[in-house]
Amino acid sequence: EAQVTQNPRYLITVTGKKLTVTCSQNMNHEYMSWYRQDPGLGLRQIYYSMNVEVTDKGDVPEGYKVSRKEKRNFPLILESPSPNQTSLYFCASSLTSPGDLSYEQYFGPGTRLTVT
Amino acid sequence: GENVEQHPSTLSVQEGDSAVIKCTYSDSASNYFPWYKQELGKGPQLIIDIRSNVGEKKDQRIAVTLNKTAKHFSLHITETQPEDSAVYFCAVPGWGNQFYFGTGTSLTVIP
Repeated sequence: EAQVTQNPRYLITVTGKKLTVTCSQNMNHEYMSWYRQDPGLGLRQIYYSMNVEVTDKGDVPEGYKVSRKEKRNFPLILESPSPNQTSLYFCASSLTSPGDLSYEQYFGPGTRLTVT
Repeated sequence: GENVEQHPSTLSVQEGDSAVIKCTYSDSASNYFPWYKQELGKGPQLIIDIRSNVGEKKDQRIAVTLNKTAKHFSLHITETQPEDSAVYFCAVPGWGNQFYFGTGTSLTVIP
């Protein structure tokens, strides 16, 4: 089944304890993104990647890191989490860019992170 | 970056009635306008999209209309059903693979 998977789905942690949220897609997609969803703010893009070893900042990159060493994986790293990073996180992937007529973005199921 | 505004934030309709959600954007260079549906506990899923060379696109009970001059596009759902209850998001692409979402509309269809 074609899908985007995220792990863990739920995570409660403490301020300053490094964590990684994994994201994997099995559709051979070039493009991958991370978003955070907060009430009243919609989804905001954190980082995106257009290919292996090619990443760029989205709208809210502060406090986050990403890497793209393999095409299928795009982990999100919080080196020193803070309570304002408590949020619902989504990974997404697409085969092409929005300028392509066949563009479609597929989202994972989400990771709910609580930082105390 | 792109400024995307979405209205209303909440919408309740009787089953069988129509629902309309509007989205405005700021960057005239945008040429791809999708709508996503997010059900409880799930990620957003694309339900319909439109490109700037057309004014309206329909898919059964849902349609999207685009007014590039006024920089707004709208989602229309006709003959609403309880399973249409969800949060709906519009989105507009930016440079590269940047993507800007509206703040969402929580639609409730009352049986």
